[in-house]
Amino acid sequence: NAGVTQTPKFRVLKTGQSMTLLCAQDMNHEYMYWYRQDPGMGLRLIHYSVGEGTTAKGEVPDGYNVSRLKKQNFLLGLESAAPSQTSVYFCASRVAGDAYEQYFGPGTRLTVT
Amino acid sequence: AQKITQTQPGMFVQEKEAVTLDCTYDTSDPSYGLFWYKQPSSGEMIFLIYQGSYDQQNATEGRYSLNFQKARKSANLVISASQLGDSAMYFCAMREGYSTLTFGKGTMLLVSP
Repeated sequence: NAGVTQTPKFRVLKTGQSMTLLCAQDMNHEYMYWYRQDPGMGLRLIHYSVGEGTTAKGEVPDGYNVSRLKKQNFLLGLESAAPSQTSVYFCASRVAGDAYEQYFGPGTRLTVT
Repeated sequence: AQKITQTQPGMFVQEKEAVTLDCTYDTSDPSYGLFWYKQPSSGEMIFLIYQGSYDQQNATEGRYSLNFQKARKSANLVISASQLGDSAMYFCAMREGYSTLTFGKGTMLLVSP
């Protein structure tokens, strides 16, 4: 099993450009999540999904959109990138149920200039 | 108000000694879960240990144990017999409801020979 994979690993964007981050998991997990990690801030939830075709907003959703058309994939889109979106983005997934941990991808380092 | 508070930005410990990383939480939900994750310098997020709010005993996983004091709303991570490879950032996180996690800002642990 590859676990949770993220594409790309690094990206540099200019302000106003758009891009999509892809998260894929091969563990048949129901729940998937997108976080951003900034220095000194821990991880903050952007959007999440509890099943195919469903998404919900997290703590910091502004400027991002998501889609979960297939159970194994969770896409994070930036329509018009801003320097404030420079961050490391983590995807995670887990099985449904209270006691289960989230499995994280390796992260995507995004710089917006 | 912060839901997860980690008051120690950094901790130092000598190899083979035990260390306690503090975590306090704030919730009014009777059903919740507490998680600890490790993030080494390579960047990946590694799950360490989980404690459910209804669990009667403190969780243990190898050298990791969770000192759960429900009345004080604390969930401290204890690492016994520290190793050089334990040097990393450690995050405490809480699950409320059934799906999302809120992370603390983390504690950087440095283990010296």
